[in-house]
This record gives sequence, structure tokens and C-alpha cells, in this order.
Amino acid sequence: KAGVTQTPRYLIKTRGQQVTLSCSPISGHRSVSWYQQTPGQGLQFLFEYFSETQRNKGNFPGRFSGRQFSNSRSEMNVSTLELGDSALYLCASSDQLAGGPRETQYFGPGTRLLVL
Amino acid sequence: AQSVSQHNHHVILSEAASLELGCNYSYGGTVNLFWYVQYPGQHLQLLLKYFSGDPLVKGIKGFEAEFIKSKFSFNLRKPSVQWSDTAEYFCAVNARNTDKLIFGTGTRLQVFP
Repeated sequence: KAGVTQTPRYLIKTRGQQVTLSCSPISGHRSVSWYQQTPGQGLQFLFEYFSETQRNKGNFPGRFSGRQFSNSRSEMNVSTLELGDSALYLCASSDQLAGGPRETQYFGPGTRLLVL
Repeated sequence: AQSVSQHNHHVILSEAASLELGCNYSYGGTVNLFWYVQYPGQHLQLLLKYFSGDPLVKGIKGFEAEFIKSKFSFNLRKPSVQWSDTAEYFCAVNARNTDKLIFGTGTRLQVFP
């Protein structure tokens, strides 16, 4: 099976702009989670989607939002970008079933966002 | 709130040396435990995981970890490291009812030939 794919891989934006990042999970996986990785804060959970519903959300401002489509692909949007949003944004998918036990998450290569 | 502590931020070893990376977590309920590795320029990969059963788990590339519930610890070990083990290692935990992974700050391992 192909792994988790993320597009674009690299992105440069300026303050105040908005950005949309895309994630395609491993085929058959219905759960998608997003994480932000920075040198200062490490890996921090953003949100998790399962069957088009947000199940869990981390401690990020409302400028960070996401959604999941019926084919399990997910997008993450950041509005009104700030310099501190520069980071590697990672997507992970798992094949956790509705009501079933949590399964292992597999990570994509990430999108590296630079805000100038 | 859940938290994960990795005691060693940067470890430098020579090839063939033994490795132990510490990981402690803070959570009162039942958890799943993971070690992920990030090789230079590559994405996070799962090394090993503990969900239940035998507290000594074996992962890929000769790594193993032991879950000690009384100490809230999940230390990673390898008896003999190789240069190719140079990478950053992350311990992570999630509560049984969530996919939200809480990561430690990571340990950067450098192995010299």
C-alpha cells in the first residue's frame, strides 16, 4: 500500500495570507490526525478526523481548521498566517474502526511551511 | 493533563555501544505507548508500540522497550547501536479512547563509527 501523502511538500507564504494543506491517508484508513512540529514546541496535536467528523482538537487558535472528505482525504487550513506558524505540518492516518480500539498512526512526510 | 518526558535531549555514542533512552509519561488511565524515529530528511516511522500484554516489546532494527506501569516508564533500548541509528527518537502516548498522540520533546542520537 502507498503511504500517507501530503501536498505540497514545501510552501512559502507571507503574514496575513491563508494556506490549505492536503493529506491523503493510506488506502482504507478512515482516521486522519494533524500535528505541528517546530524546534521550540516539538510535536503538537492539532486535530483528528474520523468519517468526516472532528473527534478531537488540540490547543490551537481558531485560525487553524480542518475537514475530511468522504474519501477520507483531509485538508488543513490556516488563516491570517503569523510568523510563528512556520513549521512542519504532519498528517497521520490509522485504520481504527468506528467504536473499535485505537490503532497505530502512520505519518506522512509533512508540509514545510515558511511564513515571511 | 497528559505529558511525556524524555530525559536525554542529545546522546552521543560510538558504534557497538549500548543505548537506553528514557521516557516517562503522566496519565492516570490506560494508555498506548509508542516510540517513533525520524531519520535525517525522512518522515516519522514507528519503531515499536505497546498496547497490552507482554510489557517487553520488540520493534524493528533490534530495538526493544519495556513498559513499567508502576514507574510510568517506557524506556527504549538497543544492545549495540550502529551508525545508521543516528536519528531523532520520540516517545509518544495516547489514552485508549483517543487518537491524540502526546509526544515527548525527542532525543537526538548521534552514533560515530
